[in-house]
Amino acid sequence: DGGITQSPKYLFRKEGQNVTLSCEQNLNHDAMYWYRQDPGQGLRLIYYSQIVNDFQKGDIAEGYSVSREKKESFPLTVTSAQKNPTAFYLCASSITGITYNSPLHFGNGTRLTVT
Amino acid sequence: SQQGEEDPQALSIQEGENATMNCSYKTSINNLQWYRQNSGRGLVHLILIRSNEREKHSGRLRVTLDTSKKSSSLLITASRAADTASYFCATFPLEYGNKLVFGAGTILRVKS
Repeated sequence: DGGITQSPKYLFRKEGQNVTLSCEQNLNHDAMYWYRQDPGQGLRLIYYSQIVNDFQKGDIAEGYSVSREKKESFPLTVTSAQKNPTAFYLCASSITGITYNSPLHFGNGTRLTVT
Repeated sequence: SQQGEEDPQALSIQEGENATMNCSYKTSINNLQWYRQNSGRGLVHLILIRSNEREKHSGRLRVTLDTSKKSSSLLITASRAADTASYFCATFPLEYGNKLVFGAGTILRVKS
């Protein structure tokens, strides 16, 4: 079945450590996205990528970094510079980021807890 | 900044009743989408309505869009316990590039 796989489902880290969240898709989608979700809030865009080797900052990119070396992979690194990293992280993809009318397909998220 | 705002924040109904959720937004949009999120899971796309459409149906779902009032509603008819989830509206603002902007969501609980 085609879909988006995020791993791990739960992740625990000590403050000051960098951590990388994995996101892989086999939908052959061009565009991929990372969102952050905090309790009782909507999703906020961290980074997005419309094609391989290209990505743009979203609304809350500070303290995060990404790479897009392969079409199917879009890993997110949460660095020690991110002040409040504990959150639920969602990866998504769409056929293309250029066509406004393409819906997003989401993975099942990674819950990161930093203590 | 968040574009869409859902109302109510939470809704509790009995199985078989209809559930209506509303979404208001601030700027002109290309389209508006509704998503569902079960607890601890990712979002699932439900329906997309373009700015030149006024109503759209998908199974037990009915979505309306009023661009003059900058609002949309999602109606779930004959609700089931399995409809218990959070529901989000998301918009593609015309002047916001290729980015979908989500509201804070409505938590729906359907009691059996």
